[in-house]
Amino acid sequence: QVQLQESGPGLVKPSQTLSLTCTVSGGSITSDNDYWTWIRQHPGKGLEWIGFISYTGSTYYNPSLKSRVTISADTSKNQFSLKLDSVTAADTAVYYCVRDSRTSISGVVTPNGFDPWGLGTLVTVSS
Amino acid sequence: EIELTQSPDTLSLSPGERATLSCRASRTVKNIYLSWYQQKPGQAPRLLIYGASNRASGIPDRISGGGSGTDFTLSINRLEPEDSAVYYCQQYGSSPTFGGGTKVEIK
Repeated sequence: QVQLQESGPGLVKPSQTLSLTCTVSGGSITSDNDYWTWIRQHPGKGLEWIGFISYTGSTYYNPSLKSRVTISADTSKNQFSLKLDSVTAADTAVYYCVRDSRTSISGVVTPNGFDPWGLGTLVTVSS
Repeated sequence: EIELTQSPDTLSLSPGERATLSCRASRTVKNIYLSWYQQKPGQAPRLLIYGASNRASGIPDRISGGGSGTDFTLSINRLEPEDSAVYYCQQYGSSPTFGGGTKVEIK
């Protein structure tokens, strides 16, 4: 049973960098066709996909955040991380790390949904 | 970017009734790229449906998904108090997006 757990500071000052780490247990972040994803939820609002790092190490980001986001992985620790630069109050949100698993059959890749999710961690941007 | 519009905003129903939630996309979404999630207060979302109609592991068969093209639905039969939650649809596309959510209240 794959489980994910977010960790990192709960308070970040404006203009600084938000840094979070997700520790994966019960499975490997190098497993075929798994994409390790960050999603955030502003207080009382809906969900926003931030980006992923794939099992091969390739990354893809939400175009609206691309200039500020970096997602990386440490395979020796089975962790992946999020860095968001130049934060403002608008980046205050609950941040979730999530597995996006896909199935490849005869070259056709089919998503299996975002599952499982970490518990989430609230990051507040404030001076 | 494909936008997803969910309706209604809130659905208030009694136990035992059927809930039908709508998700409309701004452009055609392949069925394999449409998922549904349930989120209860203070919890992370939980995957209910992927590929428009495939139930995730552990999801009861009174929950079902359907639709195609730009119109998708999530149906919950025989509503139970535990079904009280916000439900989100989600599409993959070139950049995944979520709908704004439908809140289901059990009277």
